[in-house]
Amino acid sequence: KAGVTQTPRYLIKTRGQQVTLSCSPISGHRSVSWYQQTPGQGLQFLFEYFSETQRNKGNFPGRFSGRQFSNSRSEMNVSTLELGDSALYLCASSLSLSGQTFTDTQYFGPGTRLTVL
Amino acid sequence: QKEVEQNSGPLSVPEGAIASLNCTYSDRVSQSFFWYRQYSGKSPELIMSIYSNGDKEDGRFTAQLNKASQYVSLLIRDSQPSDSATYLCAVHNTDKLIFGTGTRLQVFP
Repeated sequence: KAGVTQTPRYLIKTRGQQVTLSCSPISGHRSVSWYQQTPGQGLQFLFEYFSETQRNKGNFPGRFSGRQFSNSRSEMNVSTLELGDSALYLCASSLSLSGQTFTDTQYFGPGTRLTVL
Repeated sequence: QKEVEQNSGPLSVPEGAIASLNCTYSDRVSQSFFWYRQYSGKSPELIMSIYSNGDKEDGRFTAQLNKASQYVSLLIRDSQPSDSATYLCAVHNTDKLIFGTGTRLQVFP
């Protein structure tokens, strides 16, 4: 079974631009979560989508948004990029059979490395 | 106070020894606890999950949870150089999964 895939793997943008990252979960997985990883702050939870609905949200500004499609694929968008948005963005998928958050194993994708100049 | 705290390390142990990794959390209503391993340049992968007080063993790994002390630990027995990685503690808190900044483990031959 194919793992979680993320595209693109690397991205360079300039301040003020916007960016869209894509995540394809493992087949059959219904939950997709997004994380930001930086050397200083570590791994931080952005949001989680389940059945096309945002179910949980971390403490990030509204410039960070996402959505999930009917096939469970998810996109994350960051508008008006800032230098501090440079990070590794990881998505993780899980079966979420029970419908409850974080009770099932999350499988991480390889991440998208975003550099903002 | 950070919600999930870990010693950043590095924790250096000789091959064959027991590595002990610790994590404390601040919110008493936390429900689920996870240990992830992350090799340099790679994504995190789940090693253990634990939900109730006590010990949970899986091969060379043992997770220990003490909710009264708000403390969770991971023991790695018979440490191998291949265990050298950063270990992330994660705590499920209501509607968020909160990660510690990780402990870097180095196992030397």
